[in-house]
Amino acid sequence: DIQMTQSPSSLSASVGDRVTITCRASQSIISYLNWYQQKPGKAPKLLIYGTSTLQSGVPSRFSGSGSGTDFTLTISSLQPEDFATYYCQQSDITPRVTFGQGTKLEIK
Amino acid sequence: QVQLVESGGGLVKPGGSLRLSCAASGVSFSENYMSWIRQAPGKGLEWVAYISSSGTTTYYADSVKGRFTVSRDNAKNSLYLQMNSLRAEDTAVYYCARDGNYGDLYYFDYWGQGTLVTVSS
Repeated sequence: DIQMTQSPSSLSASVGDRVTITCRASQSIISYLNWYQQKPGKAPKLLIYGTSTLQSGVPSRFSGSGSGTDFTLTISSLQPEDFATYYCQQSDITPRVTFGQGTKLEIK
Repeated sequence: QVQLVESGGGLVKPGGSLRLSCAASGVSFSENYMSWIRQAPGKGLEWVAYISSSGTTTYYADSVKGRFTVSRDNAKNSLYLQMNSLRAEDTAVYYCARDGNYGDLYYFDYWGQGTLVTVSS
């Protein structure tokens, strides 16, 4: 299985900050990388697929980049509703997909 | 509007069985690949099982292979997960999700609200 490692595991930031979360794959996944946002007690929500394509309805302050083994999710200006846990997921080896362990974004 | 609604979770003893259901609406269910994904309390997401649109092809995570069976009834717009020989480590919220795609880009674009399975004596 492809291992996905996110960093940091947790992050404190303030409204208006620019935040970057990193995801590293144990082998090349080309650009088959998705990002999800999960709020407490809720199902995950797809934010970005194919490394950089925003899912319909997702604000443009979210962006993704990377290729091969290293990927990033960037939130350009944090809003109160963005405080959540974020997961990356590889879809190179589908349907045997794997997720990162998550990055919890908290209010400073 | 696509809606996925899971049911069937609950408390079960180790070694017991449980059958989860996922009712789909607002989507052409028979045309879609579906998956089950679980999340242990306070932990991350783990893909569990996949089923093709016709139901003829299934895949399982190694952690559940031989114990869980995914199936579907396209006439009833429903997805199922039969879980046997349950272990404490199967305790989790179980989500059904649609395997969406754009070309060769695959992702989970619709999720149910989840159903909690607790395995404990």
